[in-house]
Amino acid sequence: ETGVTQTPRHLVMGMTNKKSLKCEQHLGHNAMYWYKQSAKKPLELMFVYSLEERVENNSVPSRFSPECPNSSHLFLHLHTLQPEDSALYLCASSQDWGIGYGYTFGSGTRLTVV
Amino acid sequence: SQQGEEDPQALSIQEGENATMNCSYKTSINNLQWYRQNSGRGLVHLILIRSNEREKHSGRLRVTLDTSKKSSSLLITASRAADTASYFCAPFSESYQLTFGKGTKLSVIP
Repeated sequence: ETGVTQTPRHLVMGMTNKKSLKCEQHLGHNAMYWYKQSAKKPLELMFVYSLEERVENNSVPSRFSPECPNSSHLFLHLHTLQPEDSALYLCASSQDWGIGYGYTFGSGTRLTVV
Repeated sequence: SQQGEEDPQALSIQEGENATMNCSYKTSINNLQWYRQNSGRGLVHLILIRSNEREKHSGRLRVTLDTSKKSSSLLITASRAADTASYFCAPFSESYQLTFGKGTKLSVIP
């Protein structure tokens, strides 16, 4: 256990469903991140939150909607996804954003869109 | 983007041998980090080397950084089967982003 917990571990959803991914950290970190990892592609940074404010949104389609209600929790709300959105979604946290500390990752949510 | 590019894409060695992975990047960095990922799991931070450092050690890991060539290498000595994983370098750029390449897939054969 790394200190960053992601749920669920696996998720299968239809293209018309709405679901949410959850990430929780109790490391006292101030920055949290969502990454997408698809087969044979580099990890893609999706969103960055620092002190509960979104600081980065790397051209992610609006069918992905992040939410950071407090510094310990991060959600990724999903709706009307496409099969190409199937991937491993990784949450990470770091002490602060922009300082270059190492990131602590969760184990990921394996998402399959059918 | 400033992602690192790891080389080789895949590496297969016998247990006990040393494994060397290389990373190249394109622009100025504040630091460069290496991560390990076991199959289907999250990434684990291994080591961070700052732009003013040339070499760093952690246990069986040795990382070098050559900012003039914009390259880094990760050496794992006396490899074990448990070292089987994908390894990623992640340059931390002045735009405050930590970006990852496709990784080197290391297989250590018992």
